[in-house]
Amino acid sequence: AQSVTQLGSHVSVSEGALVLLRCNYSSSVPPYLFWYVQYPNQGLQLLLKYTSAATLVKGINGFEAEFKKSETSFHLTKPSAHMSDAAEYFCAVSRYGGATNKLIFGTGTLLAVQP
Amino acid sequence: NAGVTQTPKFRVLKTGQSMTLLCAQDMNHEYMYWYRQDPGMGLRLIHYSVGEGTTAKGEVPDGYNVSRLKKQNFLLGLESAAPSQTSVYFCASGSSYTFGSGTRLTVV
Repeated sequence: AQSVTQLGSHVSVSEGALVLLRCNYSSSVPPYLFWYVQYPNQGLQLLLKYTSAATLVKGINGFEAEFKKSETSFHLTKPSAHMSDAAEYFCAVSRYGGATNKLIFGTGTLLAVQP
Repeated sequence: NAGVTQTPKFRVLKTGQSMTLLCAQDMNHEYMYWYRQDPGMGLRLIHYSVGEGTTAKGEVPDGYNVSRLKKQNFLLGLESAAPSQTSVYFCASGSSYTFGSGTRLTVV
C-alpha cells in the first residue's frame, strides 16, 4: 500500500524566508510523487511532479522538490517566501506505471507567510 | 477551454434527500476521479473511472454511486444523504489531475 505523511499541519514563515514543507512517502513500488497547492475556496493546482526522471524537480511559482529514495522523502522548498504563497499544500503519491493512476494524498500543510 | 467544471458549487440537502453532482471536462481525458475533502483528512478518493462506461470504487465509496456514460462527464450521486456526507467534493481528470473548483455540500 502507498501513503504519504506530511510533517506539520501548520507552518509559518516570514516573507523572504526559506519555505520547507516536508513529505515522506511509503511505497512498495517505485512511486510518482506530486505537490499541489490549494488557495482558499479553490480546487487544487499542480505545483510539480516527480516521475522517475531527474531527482530535483522544478515547479511553478519558484518551488522545487527533491526526491530522496534513501530517506523516502519529497520535501518542497522555495528560497524566498512571498505573501502570495500563503495556501494549503498537499503531497501525493501514485503507483509508477499503474493502470488507474490513483493518487493518495497527505493531510495537507497550511502555510502562513508573515509580513 | 474550460478544463474541469463542477456543478453545482453549493448545495444544502436535508437528511435522506438525493442529489447528483456533475463533473464535465473538455480535455478528452480518459481518467476521472471524485474526491471528498474534510478538515485534517486531506482528499480521499470516492470513485474513479478509467474510461467511458467504466467505474471503480476508491477509498470511501459507501453511500455514493457514479456513472460515466459519456467520456466527458462523470456523475456522483447520493441516494440518501447523511450528515456525514457534509464535505467539499472535488472532481479531477487526467494523469496529472486537473481539478475542478469544488462543490460544497451541507447535509442537515
